[in-house]
Amino acid sequence: GAVVSQHPSWVICKSGTSVKIECRSLDFQATTMFWYRQFPKQSLMLMATSNEGSKATYEQGVEKDKFLINHASLTLSTLTVTSAHPEDSSFYICSARDVGDLIQPQHFGDGTRLSIL
Amino acid sequence: KQEVTQIPAALSVPEGENLVLNCSFTDSAIYNLQWFRQDPGKGLTSLLLIQSSQREQTSGRLNASLDKSSGRSTLYIAASQPGDSATYLCAFFSGGNEKLTFGTGTRLTIIP
Repeated sequence: GAVVSQHPSWVICKSGTSVKIECRSLDFQATTMFWYRQFPKQSLMLMATSNEGSKATYEQGVEKDKFLINHASLTLSTLTVTSAHPEDSSFYICSARDVGDLIQPQHFGDGTRLSIL
Repeated sequence: KQEVTQIPAALSVPEGENLVLNCSFTDSAIYNLQWFRQDPGKGLTSLLLIQSSQREQTSGRLNASLDKSSGRSTLYIAASQPGDSATYLCAFFSGGNEKLTFGTGTRLTIIP
């Protein structure tokens, strides 16, 4: 089945640091990828939709300048948390849409746990 | 706007029991429904997917149903095992903009 790889799985860094998270579709092309955020014991909240070769579409309330998304190829999207602060600590999950899969809407990565000290 | 609610938020049952997880939604214009499993600190594992035209899907000990008219979906787990302990999320795909709307989740604990 379709595999989505997310890296790193866990990162701890100091406040003010920028952190980049990668999301790769390993065996299919993904023109669309999605970035979710999940707080402890809560459900997934969509942050933005990443479109290959164009600007990402952000959900209401998500700061574009804080969460930079780049989708430069059909297999890679990156999320950069700029000047991260403790309130940005969360679990971030990406998913990818396989255009060749007419049934399964999205395939998910294993998530990245971000902890800002 | 689609709102998805899962009740109960947490559930503990003895091993071997059959159980039902519930998912309610407000907008019946769905394309498909998906049930996921999430282990602590991990990503999502897709369990079952039901197309809008279908009423249920089965995989092993799992059976998911969809009733659009009542705005409900259920996930039935037969003969529960400790390994079934996880958080279960339902999600709706409305087509079009391809967004998945997730439910609030049910945290399931199977007691050995």
